[in-house]
Amino acid sequence: SAVISQKPSRDICQRGTSLTIQCQVDSQVTMMFWYRQQPGQSLTLIATANQGSEATYESGFVIDKFPISRPNLTFSTLTVSNMSPEDSSIYLCSVGGVTEAFFGQGTRLTVV
Amino acid sequence: RKEVEQDPGPFNVPEGATVAFNCTYSNSASQSFFWYRQDCRKEPKLLMSVYSSGNEDGRFTAQLNRASQYISLLIRDSKLSDSATYLCVVNLNNDMRFGAGTRLTVKP
Repeated sequence: SAVISQKPSRDICQRGTSLTIQCQVDSQVTMMFWYRQQPGQSLTLIATANQGSEATYESGFVIDKFPISRPNLTFSTLTVSNMSPEDSSIYLCSVGGVTEAFFGQGTRLTVV
Repeated sequence: RKEVEQDPGPFNVPEGATVAFNCTYSNSASQSFFWYRQDCRKEPKLLMSVYSSGNEDGRFTAQLNRASQYISLLIRDSKLSDSATYLCVVNLNNDMRFGAGTRLTVKP
């Protein structure tokens, strides 16, 4: 199993600003995943972050908007850049995959 | 077509009822399958894995039909605490794809 500490848990931000979300895992993992969950929707994969290489982004998500860092095997950050109200959502990091995925507690972002 | 499709719900059932959720997936190469539970304002947590032979965990039974690319979850004797959103999840090469979720409310 894995325990993930994600922060901040929530934030209210002004449009045009950026927010960086952090995830710390209690064990070393090769891949970390970043998801977005919009109100009433399921989880949509934003990108996969591998340590030592650039993140792989899903269709509809670009690095300029959602830059990701993965400096070591236990930590990752996702930045939501130049925010607009459409970015209001819950953002979740995750590890694991084949047998089970573990999630951080989520960051509830509201852009005003 | 969505990669993972679920009953939209919501399901509102009385305590003690039996309720079934269905899910279909589009990629026949998918390797593993799960049901996750997500409580309001919480992160998803694994409820159970799903196997072709079918598996049961107490009041919960999950079934996979690879030929039809269909997954089901049966909850017997529903409890108030079963109220949550149930997510069908399909994995291919460590890439987890989530269904939209089915919201269940169990009422007294």
